[in-house]
Amino acid sequence: DIVMTQTPLSSPVTLGQPASISCRSSQSLVHSNGNSYLSWLHQRPGQPPRLLIYKISNRFSGVPDRFSGNGAGTDFTLKISRVEAEDVGVYYCMQATQFPHTFGQGTKLEIK
Amino acid sequence: EVQLVQSGAEVKKPGESLKISCKGSGFRFTNYWIGWVRQMPGKGLEWMGVIYPDDSDTRYSPSFQGQVTISADKSITTAYLQWRSLKASDTAMYYCATYDSLKGGFDYWGQGTLVTVSS
Repeated sequence: DIVMTQTPLSSPVTLGQPASISCRSSQSLVHSNGNSYLSWLHQRPGQPPRLLIYKISNRFSGVPDRFSGNGAGTDFTLKISRVEAEDVGVYYCMQATQFPHTFGQGTKLEIK
Repeated sequence: EVQLVQSGAEVKKPGESLKISCKGSGFRFTNYWIGWVRQMPGKGLEWMGVIYPDDSDTRYSPSFQGQVTISADKSITTAYLQWRSLKASDTAMYYCATYDSLKGGFDYWGQGTLVTVSS
């Protein structure tokens, strides 16, 4: 199985400041079709997760443009340009290049 | 509007069987994989498996293979997750979600079904 490792596990941030979360995979996420199936999800307390970013850098419908993703191969990053109060919660990366798909352990974003 | 509506919370005893459901609407059910994700209390997300309702192609995580069964009835646009013999360690929130293979992500999620297994 591909192991997904996120850092940091916890990130206290100030409202209006940027935040960044890293995700590293134990092997390359480049699929034989040339795509890399790395997505980011956000889960607020008591709610189901929601998709933010897919295929490394594509924002899902309705996701604010303060969220962006980049990376390649085994190293990926989610960036929030200016953190808002509604951004608190846990962020997960997920790989879908190879079965079984796997999640990172999660990064908790909290406001300082 | 895409919707996944899951069955209600369950309280069961160890050794009992259980089948929870996830009804899809607002999309072509046979064109998307449906996945199940476990979240144990206070923990992260765990990918359990997915099913393609059109042909019932099913993929499991090795961690869950043999422990649960994923199925679907495309005639009623519903996916299922079932256990033959529950354990206390199965206590968790279970989410279903549509998996879009073009995006490579779980794009729409159910509200979750809380399963509590306790003697």
